[in-house]
Amino acid sequence: AQSVTQPDIHITVSEGASLELRCNYSYGATPYLFWYVQSPGQGLQLLLKYFSGDTLVQGIKGFEAEFKRSQSSFNLRKPSVHWSDAAEYFCAVGVSGNTPLVFGKGTRLSVIA
Amino acid sequence: NAGVTQTPKFRVLKTGQSMTLLCAQDMNHEYMYWYRQDPGMGLRLIHYSVGEGTTAKGEVPDGYNVSRLKKQNFLLGLESAAPSQTSVYFCASSEGGLNSPLHFGNGTRLTVT
Repeated sequence: AQSVTQPDIHITVSEGASLELRCNYSYGATPYLFWYVQSPGQGLQLLLKYFSGDTLVQGIKGFEAEFKRSQSSFNLRKPSVHWSDAAEYFCAVGVSGNTPLVFGKGTRLSVIA
Repeated sequence: NAGVTQTPKFRVLKTGQSMTLLCAQDMNHEYMYWYRQDPGMGLRLIHYSVGEGTTAKGEVPDGYNVSRLKKQNFLLGLESAAPSQTSVYFCASSEGGLNSPLHFGNGTRLTVT
């Protein structure tokens, strides 16, 4: 069965600093890849997705992610973090049309002044 | 356009009581899902539905039942609540298949005492 690993449980960055959140998956073929963000007390919102094509994908709120097949990774990046980016971030992977997405356990992002 | 609406937002139950969580979506999506979110565990899929009248088990289905009598509604039932079912429950829907982007509700916080 496929699995999704987000190695960092909690990350703290300074406002204005760059950010990279890691996501690794285990699956032989190219999966469908997603990043979601959850603000406190809210549901999850889709940031970006990768299905095929250009391995660097742009999302909302200035986020981007890069699919690296050789590393089985789909890391999320943002050049300059804003205080409003403090939230929990989830990576999700889909591997076939017959099974639902599998989510990582999430990375909580704190932003300090 | 309300998207995905969950009712109620909060609920406290005593052990052994029953309740039903309601999820309604107005996007005409075929696929609907129930997740639970617990600290450090990420999102875990309870049950899902690929269309009106269908249901399927997810990762953690024990102690829950679901029904999809109408396309727009997906009900999650707890017949005999247990403290281990204290959690935040999220409903989601998707349009184009099990690997399509999910649209989430804002969650129901359930406490079982």
